[in-house]
Amino acid sequence: GNSVTQMEGPVTLSEEAFLTINCTYTATGYPSLFWYVQYPGEGLQLLLKATKADDKGSNKGFEATYRKETTSFHLEKGSVQVSDSAVYFCALGRNTGFQKLVFGTGTRLLVSP
Amino acid sequence: NAGVTQTPKFRVLKTGQSMTLLCAQDMNHEYMYWYRQDPGMGLRLIHYSVGEGTTAKGEVPDGYNVSRLKKQNFLLGLESAAPSQTSVYFCASSNGLAGGPYEQYFGPGTRLTVT
Repeated sequence: GNSVTQMEGPVTLSEEAFLTINCTYTATGYPSLFWYVQYPGEGLQLLLKATKADDKGSNKGFEATYRKETTSFHLEKGSVQVSDSAVYFCALGRNTGFQKLVFGTGTRLLVSP
Repeated sequence: NAGVTQTPKFRVLKTGQSMTLLCAQDMNHEYMYWYRQDPGMGLRLIHYSVGEGTTAKGEVPDGYNVSRLKKQNFLLGLESAAPSQTSVYFCASSNGLAGGPYEQYFGPGTRLTVT
């Protein structure tokens, strides 16, 4: 079946450091890939997505590239801010309206000033 | 435009009690979902609906029932709560329009504790 594996956290960084959160997946067919972010006390928000191989999703300085050859969708940001502290979830789904998303376990990011 | 709202935000139940969680969306979305979030396990799909009057089981449906009598509402019921149902519950919705976008929009969550 489909599955998503994320690096365990927490990831602790100083402000302006470079961020990478690893995500790999197992899926049949050609899934869409997503990164969701959950700020403290809130629900999940879509951060970025990619719907086919070699697509790069980007938003708010975050980027992730859909790599079919390595079945990966790693999240990166060049310079993190304290306000980026949150839990980040990698997920896969289909490129259709109805989605049974499969989530990774989440990675907590803590950014200190 | 409130998006996806959930009530209540917090609830404490005793084992064996029942309750209903309400989810409402104002985006005219076709599809709605209920998830639970537990530490170290990400989000798991409980039940979902592909349209008004339809429901289906997700990954972890046991102990829960759902109804979708109106397009904008999706109710999650616990008939006899158990401590294993202590969790944070999230509702989400997504549209069914051809061409998308297809991402799911999440509510703020309900934190349920069963003692």
